[in-house]
Amino acid sequence: AQKVTQAQTEISVVEKEDVTLDCVYETRDTTYYLFWYKQPPSGELVFLIRRNSFDEQNEISGRYSWNFQKSTSSFNFTITASQVVDSAVYFCALSEEHRDDKIIFGKGTRLHILP
Amino acid sequence: DAGVIQSPRHEVTEMGQEVTLRCKPISGHDYLFWYRQTMMRGLELLIYFNNNVPIDDSGMPEDRFSAKMPNASFSTLKIQPSEPRDSAVYFCASSLAPENTGELFFGEGSRLTVL
Repeated sequence: AQKVTQAQTEISVVEKEDVTLDCVYETRDTTYYLFWYKQPPSGELVFLIRRNSFDEQNEISGRYSWNFQKSTSSFNFTITASQVVDSAVYFCALSEEHRDDKIIFGKGTRLHILP
Repeated sequence: DAGVIQSPRHEVTEMGQEVTLRCKPISGHDYLFWYRQTMMRGLELLIYFNNNVPIDDSGMPEDRFSAKMPNASFSTLKIQPSEPRDSAVYFCASSLAPENTGELFFGEGSRLTVL
């Protein structure tokens, strides 16, 4: 069974629009971690955020915000007032307590911000 | 501090040849991961090491793939013999001990093309 599902394979929005990237995960563990990574055109993946399963507080960092909802097993990522530099592939990922440090990535969402 | 360093950045080889990819993790990081990225399968974990010891190699496709970590500052991923379906971008990543679980630092990747 797929552990991390990113149903949106590709999204295009016009600059300054808000955009939400969806992530749905599956786990039987009560302790787990969720992440988002960004892969810009240069290719190197960059860590954005980590959330543990006991912390459902939403987080905001500048134009980025994350909405963690255990009830729906979702960890969505919103970019507000998008910019061309936000164009990248974004990966959601999961690591489970019983699989220490083994991180499973979703297939990614390619985001195009159009000028 | 320098990031994760991978070499070569690009490799083009012919089917049947041996390929060796190299990785130097960030100094002090106890975990090292090898991932493969393709359009079809996304980002797949191949193997990871903790303190130079292979912990989980269940993602290694088949016996043609092998990985070693002879010391804390060097790892190799070898494919012998290579096949066209091995064409992909291979990423190495490192991380600190579990206190920082999931914050992976990725190299720039090695793009392999097998003709």
